[in-house]
Amino acid sequence: SQTIHQWPATLVQPVGSPLSLECTVEGTSNPNLYWYRQAAGRGLQLLFYSVGIGQISSEVPQNLSASRPQDRQFILSSKKLLLSDSGFYLCASPANSNYGYTFGSGTRLTVV
Amino acid sequence: RKEVEQDPGPFNVPEGATVAFNCTYSNSASQSFFWYRQDCRKEPKLLMSVYSSGNEDGRFTAQLNRASQYISLLIRDSKLSDSATYLCVSTSTGNQFYFGTGTSLTVIP
Repeated sequence: SQTIHQWPATLVQPVGSPLSLECTVEGTSNPNLYWYRQAAGRGLQLLFYSVGIGQISSEVPQNLSASRPQDRQFILSSKKLLLSDSGFYLCASPANSNYGYTFGSGTRLTVV
Repeated sequence: RKEVEQDPGPFNVPEGATVAFNCTYSNSASQSFFWYRQDCRKEPKLLMSVYSSGNEDGRFTAQLNRASQYISLLIRDSKLSDSATYLCVSTSTGNQFYFGTGTSLTVIP
């Protein structure tokens, strides 16, 4: 079965610092991968999705970027964090069309 | 307009009560629907898919009304462990998921 790993679980970063969050997937090949952000009291916002190596689609203009260097690796980055980047970042992949998404355990980012 | 809209609640119900959540979606071409459960500070986890004919899983019943573009979740005999946020989800072609902001449920002893 598919498993999604995310790290770190919690991160506190100063404004203006860089960011790199990693997501890796096991138990499947060539998965579609998604980065979501959930801000406090708000719903899940799709940030990026990838259908394959090197293929990234951005849903919302922002100071974040994503990369897919390997089939099962999806990275979310920023060169300079803003206070508004704080939130719960989740990596997701469709388990199959009948069972929705599987999510990683998420990274809770606080920008101070 | 948001793809999926939910009443955020909170819903505070006593143990044993029956509670129902509704969710509306804006895209009539939406293909699949799901209910997710999210515990505090945790990732969402799939609760159940929603089928056109309606489906039941133990104390949980999900229904879809395509004509009115809403889905519902009914929880019978509420347990303390049902306390969580419930997210409704619709999907479009291309398997893109749209999440509601969630409905908060607290079951009170």
